[in-house]
Amino acid sequence: DAKTTQPPSMDCAEGRAANLPCNHSTISGNEYVYWYRQIHSQGPQYIIHGLKNNETNEMASLIITEDRKSSTLILPHATLRDTAVYYCIVRVSSGGSNYKLTFGKGTLLTVNP
Amino acid sequence: GAVVSQHPSRVICKSGTSVKIECRSLDFQATTMFWYRQFPKKSLMLMATSNEGSKATYEQGVEKDKFLINHASLTLSTLTVTSAHPEDSSFYICSASLPGAPEAFFGQGTRLTVV
Repeated sequence: DAKTTQPPSMDCAEGRAANLPCNHSTISGNEYVYWYRQIHSQGPQYIIHGLKNNETNEMASLIITEDRKSSTLILPHATLRDTAVYYCIVRVSSGGSNYKLTFGKGTLLTVNP
Repeated sequence: GAVVSQHPSRVICKSGTSVKIECRSLDFQATTMFWYRQFPKKSLMLMATSNEGSKATYEQGVEKDKFLINHASLTLSTLTVTSAHPEDSSFYICSASLPGAPEAFFGQGTRLTVV
């Protein structure tokens, strides 16, 4: 799986959009971009994933650049409960039961009141 | 959505004893589950892949005789930390996914403290 690079930490004001960047310059054509987050002392939670098109769900939006070498996770209206470590992961395949994940260091997003 | 549950959420044990952690898929069958370990302020590290009805596959550097994995049914995998030592104190997390589904579901984690 391709390596990802994320800033170690970011701050965001409550109610504002949080934009979390991720670089994955060595991504292959068949690799997907996944985002998970981990709130302190809990297991990770799936947020969103995409291949090359932008994606949106009830939690967030994922913007992938045209060359697919980077992406941005957008939380449109951050709340205090969004404070967590956000992991950007690149992996082959969008499904299957053999689903091991390689976690990097992630970005600690702190949402401030 | 699918739920993965771990038990216990916290455990304290004496050095030299063994501790069993359970990981259950509550509303789906999981032929494969994964066990991760996370030290304070560090990222998750995959320990092993648990396969129902067969032996687990361990990542490099993980002692299979120390971290015993049993996946006896399609909804339960157990991780037993044998002869625990203080350096085994960590946050242990399991995950599973529905066949064909894009996302993995994680348990809430088990905080193990060996004293």
